Amino acid sequence: EVQVAESGGGLAQPGGSLRLSCAASGFIFSTYDMHWVRQATGKSLEWVSAIGSAGDTYYPGSVKGRFTISRENAKNSLYLQMNSLRVGDTAVYYCARGMQGGFDTWGQGVLVTVSS
Amino acid sequence: QTVVTQEPSLSVSPGGTVTLTCGLSSGSVSTGSYPSWYQQTPGQAPRTLIYSTNIRSSGVPARFSGSILGNKAALTITGAQAEDESNYYCLLYMGSGIRVFGGGSKLTVL
Repeated sequence: EVQVAESGGGLAQPGGSLRLSCAASGFIFSTYDMHWVRQATGKSLEWVSAIGSAGDTYYPGSVKGRFTISRENAKNSLYLQMNSLRVGDTAVYYCARGMQGGFDTWGQGVLVTVSS
Repeated sequence: QTVVTQEPSLSVSPGGTVTLTCGLSSGSVSTGSYPSWYQQTPGQAPRTLIYSTNIRSSGVPARFSGSILGNKAALTITGAQAEDESNYYCLLYMGSGIRVFGGGSKLTVL
């Protein structure tokens, strides 16, 4: 069964850092694009970052320069390093497998709270 | 900055047909936008319904279909059921690796 599962959420202070992980199973991880998507309470989904199978990375302007997506194919793992965190980064963060421009598999999400 | 537009809310009667749309504040949606659709109930992770305009994700009932209607992407539910009452989000590929979600549509089945 194709699955992805996030970990590493929690509380961080404004200006602080946090690293999220996503463990993948049931598919050949190295051959898929992978993404992070977030959702603040009561708000729409927001695409946060993508990494291609070749390691190319992409970000929206809202997180570019602060967040870094990476992958470790030998461990079937995806990461999101979040620096210079802001209160506005508070959200549930989802890991998702890429499929033809969108996503086909989602994790259950992990909560990140940025507060002093 | 281009905004992805969706109807904030829609309603449909049980057994009826409803079409949700996904457009751009500037320009047209095409198959090259690789439109995809996601269903989400409160407190749950999103579920993929459609990707690449009209490909149903695994396990998605045939009553969900995707298309391009005019200059927008569309999600049509034919024979709506009570369990289809959810929030629906579309995603568009903007090029250069960038994706943008719409604001979401809340569908009521009544």
